[in-house]
Amino acid sequence: NAGVTQTPKFRVLKTGQSMTLLCAQDMNHEYMYWYRQDPGMGLRLIHYSVGEGTTAKGEVPDGYNVSRLKKQNFLLGLESAAPSQTSVYFCASQDTINEKLFFGSGTQLSVL
Amino acid sequence: RKEVEQDPGPFNVPEGATVAFNCTYSNSASQSFFWYRQDCRKEPKLLMSVYSSGNEDGRFTAQLNRASQYISLLIRDSKLSDSATYLCVVSAGTYKYIFGTGTRLKVLA
Repeated sequence: NAGVTQTPKFRVLKTGQSMTLLCAQDMNHEYMYWYRQDPGMGLRLIHYSVGEGTTAKGEVPDGYNVSRLKKQNFLLGLESAAPSQTSVYFCASQDTINEKLFFGSGTQLSVL
Repeated sequence: RKEVEQDPGPFNVPEGATVAFNCTYSNSASQSFFWYRQDCRKEPKLLMSVYSSGNEDGRFTAQLNRASQYISLLIRDSKLSDSATYLCVVSAGTYKYIFGTGTRLKVLA
C-alpha cells in the first residue's frame, strides 16, 4: 500500500553539484508531476509526464530535467544546483478518473 | 493578480466552532475545483472535490460560485485534528492545476 514514494527526504547540496530525485508510484497511473513549494507561494509545476517515455515543461522548468523511462518512475534531475532551487519538492501521480492527485512525502532540498 | 487567491490566515477558532474559507480564481474557463489539506511539513492530501451544485462530506461542505469565481469550504464542529493548511486547487484543463498558497487553520482547545 505504498502509493507514491519519494527519495531522498532531505538533501543538502553545494552550488554547482548535481542530484536526482526519484519518484515511484505503484498505482499504475499514467500522469505524474513534479512540483516545488516555497514559502508564500502555491505549489508550482516544474515538469510533468502523461505516460511512459513522455515529458513536458511546466511553469518553472529552468534548471531541471526529467525522465520517465518506466511508467512507475519519474525522475527529477538538477544538473548544476543553485541557491534559488532551495525548496520542498513534491512528486505526484494522478488518477485520471477523478483527477485526484496523490503526493509523495516530499524532499527538503537546501543548496548552499 | 494571482490566478488563485486565498486568505493566508491563520484562522484561530475554538473547538466546536464553524469556520469558512473562501478562494477566488481568475480564469473563468476553470473546470475543476478541489480542496486539499496539508499538515505541517507533510504532503497535500485531497479533502474533497467541489461540484457545481455544492457537496458535503461529513462536517465539510464545499460550494462553487462560477458567477463570482470563488469556491468555499465550510467546516462545522471543528476538531483539534482539523488544524492544518487548506489549499484551494483550480484546474483549467488537463495537467494544469493551480494551487493557492493555502489558508492556515488552528483549532484551539
